[in-house]
This record gives sequence, C-alpha cells and structure tokens, in this order.
Amino acid sequence: EVQLVESGGDVVRPGRSLRLSCAASGFKFDNYAMHWVRQGPGKGLEWVSGMSWNGANIAYADSVRGRFTISRDNVKNSLYLQMNSLRPDDTALYYCVKVLTLVPGAFEIWGQGTLVTVSS
Amino acid sequence: QSALTQPPSVSGSPGQSVTISCTGTSNDVGGYDRVSWYQQTPGAAPKLLIYDVTNRPSGVPDRFSGSKSGSTASLTVSGLQAEDDADYYCSSYTDRSTRYVFGTGTKVIVL
Repeated sequence: EVQLVESGGDVVRPGRSLRLSCAASGFKFDNYAMHWVRQGPGKGLEWVSGMSWNGANIAYADSVRGRFTISRDNVKNSLYLQMNSLRPDDTALYYCVKVLTLVPGAFEIWGQGTLVTVSS
Repeated sequence: QSALTQPPSVSGSPGQSVTISCTGTSNDVGGYDRVSWYQQTPGAAPKLLIYDVTNRPSGVPDRFSGSKSGSTASLTVSGLQAEDDADYYCSSYTDRSTRYVFGTGTKVIVL
C-alpha cells in the first residue's frame, strides 16, 4: 500500500524554525517528484514547494521562497521541509504529496497532514 | 501568483449534473493542458479526480469529466449523488515563478 506519513508539526512563535518530515512507503520513492501543499484553517489549498526525483529541479511558491527549503533522502525514502522565519500566515495543515506516474502536477497520493501553528 | 477563480458554491439535486468552472490566464490554464481537479470531504485529504484536463485516474467514476476552453477549465459531475457533497479544487501548472496554483475552491451542495 502506498503511504505518506508526515511529522514535525508543532506550535511555534513567529520568527522561529521548524522541520517537517514525510516518510514514504509502498512505492519506489526515487522514481517520483514530491511536493508539499498546505491548507490554512478553513481555507483552500496552496502549493508550497516541489522537488524532482533526483533533487535537480526545485520550485517554491512566492510566499515561502527564501524562507523554506525542500529536500529529500532517497535512501531513507523521506521528504523534508525546513521552514525558517515562520509567520502567522504560515499556520496550516501541511500535506506531503506524490505525483501520478509521468504526470507532473497531478497530485495523486496525499498524506494525512501535519499541523503547523505559528502564534505568539 | 493569484489563485485560479472558482465559484464559491454550486448545487443540484440527486441525479442532476453540475459544472464547476476554473478561470485562469494564458500563463496557466490557458497555456498548458496541466489542469487537475480534486475532491475534498471534511477532515480528509484531497483526492485526485481529473488530470491533464480530461483524464481520470483508475478508480474514479466516469460521472466525473473535465474539459477546457481558452483559460477556463470545467469539471462536470453527472448523476449527482449524496456522496458528491464536498469541496472541489482545480489546479494548474503556471509559467510564473510559482510552479503550480490551486483554485479558490467550490462547495458542491447536493440538495
């Protein structure tokens, strides 16, 4: 069974840092691009960042560029999101997402999400 | 990068059809056939319904269909069922600095 399990969400003060992790199983992790998508409380979906299978291609949403860093470890079958200089508007449920085979941008498999709350 | 524009809500009775629009620009929906649609029920993660404008992943009923005209994509749900009561989001590749953009979301209400 294909599974994505996020962890690392917490309550943090503005300006602090947090690192999210996503453990993947049930598929060949190093064959797929992976993404992070977030959803603020009662709000819509927002694409955050994505990385190609080998890490050569990386992209960020304008709202997080320069503050967030995506990375992956294909040996550990894991995806990460380092979040620095956190702001209250970063408060959201963060999903780890696997794309459909050979279809960039088709977000096929989603984790259950990990909650990040930024508040003083 | 602004979100793609969707109507806040659409409604229909069981058995009827509803169509949700998703309006973007030539930099996203209008310029690329990389439009996807997602269904999200309360407390659950989104589910992929349509990819590349018209294609359904395995297991998605053929009651769900997608199309595109110019910079507006559409999702049609035919033969509406009670279980279709959910939030729906479109997404598209964009050639702006943000690589992908989602729609504002539409609540489908089954009367």
